[in-house]
Amino acid sequence: KAGVTQTPRYLIKTRGQQVTLSCSPISGHRSVSWYQQTPGQGLQFLFEYFSETQRNKGNFPGRFSGRQFSNSRSEMNVSTLELGDSALYLCASKRGDATNEKLFFGSGTQLSVL
Amino acid sequence: GQQVMQIPQYQHVQEGEDFTTYCNSSTTLSNIQWYKQRPGGHPVFLIQLVKSGEVKKQKRLTFQFGEAKKNSSLHITATQTTDVGTYFCAGIVNTGKLIFGQGTTLQVKP
Repeated sequence: KAGVTQTPRYLIKTRGQQVTLSCSPISGHRSVSWYQQTPGQGLQFLFEYFSETQRNKGNFPGRFSGRQFSNSRSEMNVSTLELGDSALYLCASKRGDATNEKLFFGSGTQLSVL
Repeated sequence: GQQVMQIPQYQHVQEGEDFTTYCNSSTTLSNIQWYKQRPGGHPVFLIQLVKSGEVKKQKRLTFQFGEAKKNSSLHITATQTTDVGTYFCAGIVNTGKLIFGQGTTLQVKP
């Protein structure tokens, strides 16, 4: 069974640009969450989607948005990029919407904003 | 806001020494999960604790959940170089959100 797939693996953008990251969950998983990871800050929760609906949202500005498609694939968009947005963006999937299910993480997209 | 604090941030040990990381929450947690992220890798689920005072073991790893369900710990006995990585706790709060601690990065000197 394939794991969580994130594309692209690496991305370099300049300030002011926008970026779209993609996540394909494990087959059969309907919940997708996004996290931002920076050194020393751990994993900061961005949002969670289940069956195309946003279930939870973290404390990030409106420049960060996401969506989920009917096949459970998810995309995350960041507009008007800032230097501080440089980070590893991790996607995680789980089968259902129960809070106590374990997360399966993808390898992440390393975003560098110059 | 709801926070999960994890200490220490870094720990360097000699191979064979023990290691412990602690996780503390400002609010009562429903459950707590632990993940391990190897250098250059992604977090991988280790275990989940649900009950007050629960203790679970996985070989050399011992996980504890506090009586008040506000703190947890991970103890590794006799560390090995394969234990290197960052260990994260993640607490589930009453809003249903999973909040990660900042992680403890373990370095093991052979």
